[in-house]
Amino acid sequence: GAVVSQHPSRVICKSGTSVKIECRSLDFQATTMFWYRQFPKQSLMLMATSNEGSKATYEQGVEKDKFLINHASLTLSTLTVTSAHPEDSSFYICSARDLAGGHTDTQYFGPGTRLTVL
Amino acid sequence: GQNIDQPTEMTATEGAIVQINCTYQTSGFNGLFWYQQHAGEAPTFLSYNVLDGLEEKGRFSSFLSRSKGYSYLLLKELQMKDSASYLCAPLDSNYQLIWGAGTKLIIKP
Repeated sequence: GAVVSQHPSRVICKSGTSVKIECRSLDFQATTMFWYRQFPKQSLMLMATSNEGSKATYEQGVEKDKFLINHASLTLSTLTVTSAHPEDSSFYICSARDLAGGHTDTQYFGPGTRLTVL
Repeated sequence: GQNIDQPTEMTATEGAIVQINCTYQTSGFNGLFWYQQHAGEAPTFLSYNVLDGLEEKGRFSSFLSRSKGYSYLLLKELQMKDSASYLCAPLDSNYQLIWGAGTKLIIKP
């Protein structure tokens, strides 16, 4: 149980285009999903917390107009990187919290999306 | 401030035992997670401690001392596939995970 999928797993795009990443909880309902970014050999950096049916809460320094988050259902959250630039190239990982599980605050991670902006 | 302190890198031998220590300082505390992250992959959940003591799960065990702000992950009967980064992540008063850079564990035959 507690499986999270992410799509696409890898994307290469041109500078200035927008990229949408989907995060789905496959076998549980996730009222809260998290979006992280990780640069090589660095720790996970929380970008935003997404609650179903409400606006996402962004961490300091993360531009909400550039990283659009939509959590329209209990099993789906999307992150759209708008007008991507090479410095946005990174590993984007989502996680979902399974409140019905044995560990109430456990975050289960999707496999990640590697974004390369040319 | 909030801080996680783990060794940057450790090396161990296949079949042996290794203990990865973690000390933390957080604003409030609601438990501590250990995750495993292989290179180029997302983290996977290993364990969760909220009370003091040892939690055993197969070859992996995790220990917590809340008064000392200290936890460790113990890996027994090491296998080559255990080569990965191990992330200690306490949960603060806002139920937000605090991430450090993790410990890169290298297993040698």
